[in-house]
Amino acid sequence: AQSVTQLDSHVSVSEGTPVLLRCNYSSSYSPSLFWYVQHPNKGLQLLLKYTSAATLVKGINGFEAEFKKSETSFHLTKPSAHMSDAAEYFCVVGDNAGNMLTFGGGTRLMVKP
Amino acid sequence: NAGVTQTPKFQVLKTGQSMTLQCAQDMNHNSMYWYRQDPGMGLRLIYYSASEGTTDKGEVPNGYNVSRLNKREFSLRLESAAPSQTSVYFCASSPRGGIQYFGAGTRLSVL
Repeated sequence: AQSVTQLDSHVSVSEGTPVLLRCNYSSSYSPSLFWYVQHPNKGLQLLLKYTSAATLVKGINGFEAEFKKSETSFHLTKPSAHMSDAAEYFCVVGDNAGNMLTFGGGTRLMVKP
Repeated sequence: NAGVTQTPKFQVLKTGQSMTLQCAQDMNHNSMYWYRQDPGMGLRLIYYSASEGTTDKGEVPNGYNVSRLNKREFSLRLESAAPSQTSVYFCASSPRGGIQYFGAGTRLSVL
């Protein structure tokens, strides 16, 4: 069994300040972990994927996430927010085969000018 | 650069009507998926097809049927639509598990 909890449903930051979106997961096996982004009225786009090769994963658009097994966390960060980062972000855990993805409830990121 | 294409983009149904949501991918992927997205709940897997000729239930399959028509196409059918099926539906594909690539979605309202 697997589950994902995104700890904040909404996060608001000012442009140019750091972004932190928090995610905790549970999984019966070594998990596959992803972050996806969804802009308004659009499909989902992959930001990054944890592959067990490195605990710090770099993604697109300056985002990165750190896998912490001891804390069962996979938080998403960005040093400096841009207006175009305003979107909904989903933390996702996959099963061994990669077919059963379990999504967190999402975090809506708002970026203020 | 089409990727995953879903049709229609919008649909309004009356309770009891039937319809089929279409999905096609041009990336030669083996696996395809149907999700629904409801506010505050992320995406939930309805059905998936790990390879051509196979389909399996996901987390919320009740009220839906699927057909993997060929390697490219995976359709989702609502035989008798209910208001609880009002949602945004996403199709996705992947080479063989792992990273999934999503379509733009179909917004369905059942009155």
